[in-house]
Order: sequence, then structure tokens, then C-alpha cells
Amino acid sequence: DAGVIQSPRHEVTEMGQEVTLRCKPISGHNSLFWYRQTMMRGLELLIYFNNNVPIDDSGMPEDRFSAKMPNASFSTLKIQPSEPRDSAVYFCASSRVLQGIGYNEQFFGPGTRLTVL
Amino acid sequence: DQQVKQNSPSLSVQEGRISILNCDYTNSMFDYFLWYKKYPAEGPTFLISISSIKDKNEDGRFTVFLNKSAKHLSLHIVPSQPGDSAVYFCAASGGQGAQKLVFGQGTRLTINP
Repeated sequence: DAGVIQSPRHEVTEMGQEVTLRCKPISGHNSLFWYRQTMMRGLELLIYFNNNVPIDDSGMPEDRFSAKMPNASFSTLKIQPSEPRDSAVYFCASSRVLQGIGYNEQFFGPGTRLTVL
Repeated sequence: DQQVKQNSPSLSVQEGRISILNCDYTNSMFDYFLWYKKYPAEGPTFLISISSIKDKNEDGRFTVFLNKSAKHLSLHIVPSQPGDSAVYFCAASGGQGAQKLVFGQGTRLTINP
């Protein structure tokens, strides 16, 4: 089975440019999570979706960040305009939420390493 | 305000010995705890979990212990192997945000031959 797929694996861009990160969750999973990992803040949740609907975006740092999930097999995280402090590794994760069970294991993609110059 | 803390950034253990990784949490609403393992250039992978109704969960060489009164959990790896060298993250969830995971900063474990 294919795991969570993220693209690109590496992105180098200049300050002010738009950046779009992509994620394909595991087939059959109905929850999708975007995380950011930095040295200072560790691994932090940005936003998560259930059944393609955004549930909690309280971790999104500011309006420059937006995320969409147009269907069950695709999600994007967009940064516009990008800034050097956005440099980090961005992970996408997915899980299959079963009704009545509070938590299910999350499966992570390999991450996108973003560098904003 | 860091709700999940791993106070040891790194740990070095000799092959064959026991590795003990520690994690503390502050939110009493957390009721499910997990350990993830991460190799360089890869995403974290799930290792083992424990519900707050238990105080121990074992899976092969890996055992997680939970002390609710102390808000402390630990991961024991016995015996430690070179392939266990990785960064280990403790994570917690619970309460209204049951699907949300709050991660610790991670501990880099190095197993020396």
C-alpha cells in the first residue's frame, strides 16, 4: 500500500513568492493533518480536516497560510507571500477515524523541506 | 506553554543495554499517549501507544509506562539495537481535541556498538 505522498520533497524559493505544498493521504483515510517542524517550536499542528472539512485551523500562524482539501485524495497548503521564517519541514499525515473511538493512529508522509531565501 | 515536554534532547546508550526515554505532560485532559520514531529525511512513524486506563503497554522490545499522578510517561527499549538510533517523539491527545496530537520536542537516541 502506498503511504502518504507529499510533493515536492524540497522547495527553495525567494521571499515574497507563493508556495504550494501538496499531499495525497492514504486511500480510505478520512482525516488529514498538516504539521510544521522547526528547531525552535518542534512539531506543531497547523490544521486538520475530517471528511474534507476543516475542523481546527488554530495552529495556522497567520493569514498568509491557507489549506484546502477539495476531495478525499488531495490537499494543499499554500503560503502567500512566503517569508524566510516560514523555512521548515512541513508534514502531512492521515488517519481513519472510526465513529465512537476518540483517537486513531496518524500516518505521516516524508515531508517537504521548504527554504525561503 | 509547552504541554508535552521531553527534557532530554539526546541520549546515548550502548548496544544491548536498556534505553529509557522520558516525557512529561501538563494537561490533565490528555488520555491517550503515543511514541513516534523518526529517521532523517523521513516522516515520523508510529511506535507504540497507551491509553490512560492502563499503566503499561508492551510490544516486543518496546514498553511504555504511564504514571498519571505524576503526569509522566516513559519508553523502554530492551535490548537496544543500532537500528533504534533515531529521534523519538512523545505525543498526547485527549479532551475536546481528541484527534489532535501535541508533540514533545523529541529526544535523539544514539545506540553505540
